[in-house]
Order: sequence, then structure tokens, then C-alpha cells
Amino acid sequence: DTGVSQDPRHKITKRGQNVTFRCDPISEHNRLYWYRQTLGQGPEFLTYFQNEAQLEKSRLLSDRFSAERPKGSFSTLEIQRTEQGDSAMYLCASRQTGDAGKLFFGSGTQLSVL
Amino acid sequence: GEDVEQSLFLSVREGDSSVINCTYTDSSSTYLYWYKQEPGAGLQLLTYIFSNMDMKQDQRLTVLLNKKDKHLSLRIADTQTGDSAIYFCAEFSDSGGYQKVTFGTGTKLQVIP
Repeated sequence: DTGVSQDPRHKITKRGQNVTFRCDPISEHNRLYWYRQTLGQGPEFLTYFQNEAQLEKSRLLSDRFSAERPKGSFSTLEIQRTEQGDSAMYLCASRQTGDAGKLFFGSGTQLSVL
Repeated sequence: GEDVEQSLFLSVREGDSSVINCTYTDSSSTYLYWYKQEPGAGLQLLTYIFSNMDMKQDQRLTVLLNKKDKHLSLRIADTQTGDSAIYFCAEFSDSGGYQKVTFGTGTKLQVIP
């Protein structure tokens, strides 16, 4: 499978716990994006990387959220001290620079904070 | 800033044409996209159009772009039950070297057999 893969597919956690999600982009793609999607809404931009550099972070990304892409390949998104409002689908997407901006999405990680 | 708006719901009969509309605000957008999302899944790129084009056709899909009015539409000919999904309009912006794609709220298409 050469698409974007995300792990885990589902995560249930208790409020106050930390969670970490992983994204493996399409191998030749140098740009990687994280989005958050809540029920009935479109994906909201969180942050993106060009290779290992994190180029932009949304104001939605509070200081409890951190993302890394240490070697310019896979990326992790960590949420510390989770809150019920963090419950959402977290989507990862990747693209190659210059390819008409086309994003290719993974299936997402559904987070439920109890 | 960027804001993309869509109507929330559309219901059509199988075999009819569907037209999903979208308005956007960033006049500097270079590409506009249509994505499809089925329940519990990520987003699938259906088609896209470059901002200097008025129309693009791809099999059953026709995209129309009115750049003056910042209006984008997706027409699906001969709509099938498998087309039932949420459709998102999105725009690509490049501001100061920061490139991102902004999505609308989605239109839920229901196809009645």
C-alpha cells in the first residue's frame, strides 16, 4: 500500500491523558499536513511540514499540541492533557511540491476523550 | 483571509444530475478542488481546476469556475447510489511562501434509488 497511512484508526482516552498519533506519508512527498475534522464540519488546518521543517501552525493548535517530523518522513502529533473538546478525527495528508497542490489523505485517527 | 462556503445538503434521484455549489473568498487561489468523503474514511481527491480555466470535464464530472464571482460548482452526470457521500470544495493558497488548502463545510449528497 503506497498511500498515506495513519495509526491508530481509533483512540479512546480519558480526559487528562496524553495521546500520540502517527502518520506515514507517501514516500516521495515532501510536504505533510495535519487537519482536524469534527462532525458536520470540513477539515480544519492545524500545521504542515516541508521535509522536517514545521512551516506553519494554526491558532487552533494550542500549546497542548505538538507535531514533529524528525527525519522528514513520518510525523507524529501529540496532544497533552486531553480535553473533551479534543474529540475529533485527525487527518494527515501529504503532497509533492508543485503537484498542483493536490493533497492525498490518510483514513484518519478518530479520537474520543471521555 | 480564506473562507469557503457550501450548502449543507442535496438530494437527487438516481440517474439525475447533481450540482454542488461553492463560494470562496481568496481571489489569489491558484487551484480549486473537489474532494469526496465516505463515512469513516479520509478525503479522496475527485478533480481540480486551475484558476485560469473556466471548465474542466472528467468523465461524469464537470467543474465550472466563475472567478469573477468566486463561484465553483461540481456537476455529476447520471448520479449513482455510490455517489452518496460528503463533497468538499477546497482552495489552495500561497501566502508568503506558506502553502495550505482550506476546505468548505461539505455538502452531503443523498442519492435516492
